[in-house]
Amino acid sequence: RKEVEQDPGPFNVPEGATVAFNCTYSNSASQSFFWYRQDCRKEPKLLMSVYSSGNEDGRFTAQLNRASQYISLLIRDSKLSDSATYLCVVNRDTGRRALTFGSGTRLQVQP
Amino acid sequence: DGGITQSPKYLFRKEGQNVTLSCEQNLNHDAMYWYRQDPGQGLRLIYYSQIVNDFQKGDIAEGYSVSREKKESFPLTVTSAQKNPTAFYLCASSPTGASNQPQHFGDGTRLSIL
Repeated sequence: RKEVEQDPGPFNVPEGATVAFNCTYSNSASQSFFWYRQDCRKEPKLLMSVYSSGNEDGRFTAQLNRASQYISLLIRDSKLSDSATYLCVVNRDTGRRALTFGSGTRLQVQP
Repeated sequence: DGGITQSPKYLFRKEGQNVTLSCEQNLNHDAMYWYRQDPGQGLRLIYYSQIVNDFQKGDIAEGYSVSREKKESFPLTVTSAQKNPTAFYLCASSPTGASNQPQHFGDGTRLSIL
């Protein structure tokens, strides 16, 4: 089983739609979770950290479900500029090897 | 502006050649990382360094080498032993390397075989 699993998509949605991505992780000891955004042929950029109680940043909402070991990202009122690949990132342990990146879910917002 | 600078943006390697990818940061971060990304795949950790003069192998270190002689610099050498080096190479840093810190990336180097 992969440490971090994501549906690769693509998710094709119209502008203004609400879309949600899930990500599952295998290490129950993981403590830190992030969503990154990666545009085509560019570097990943931090979108938001994911906190235990869930958190929101504008149109983006992140949720964590420790019991089921998944995190989610909800995007409301999708914009064309949201088209990108969204990477789920989890710390693998409390040691020095830091983060494990999922393969990403591709989102295409259409006019 | 603070950030991470990778160079070159594109690099071509001949058979049997070693090539070195540069990564410099002026964020005063202690921890630095090298990842490799293949098309349609996630990032895989090659090497990481938590402090000057110390570095550790990641998941796919074979065929690569690094050095960390200065805090701001973490060059990656792709040796001739790496038989499939064509990929997108990303350097990242974080303040102390603690697992609750996100990592910040340079804009990458694309390496291809001639």
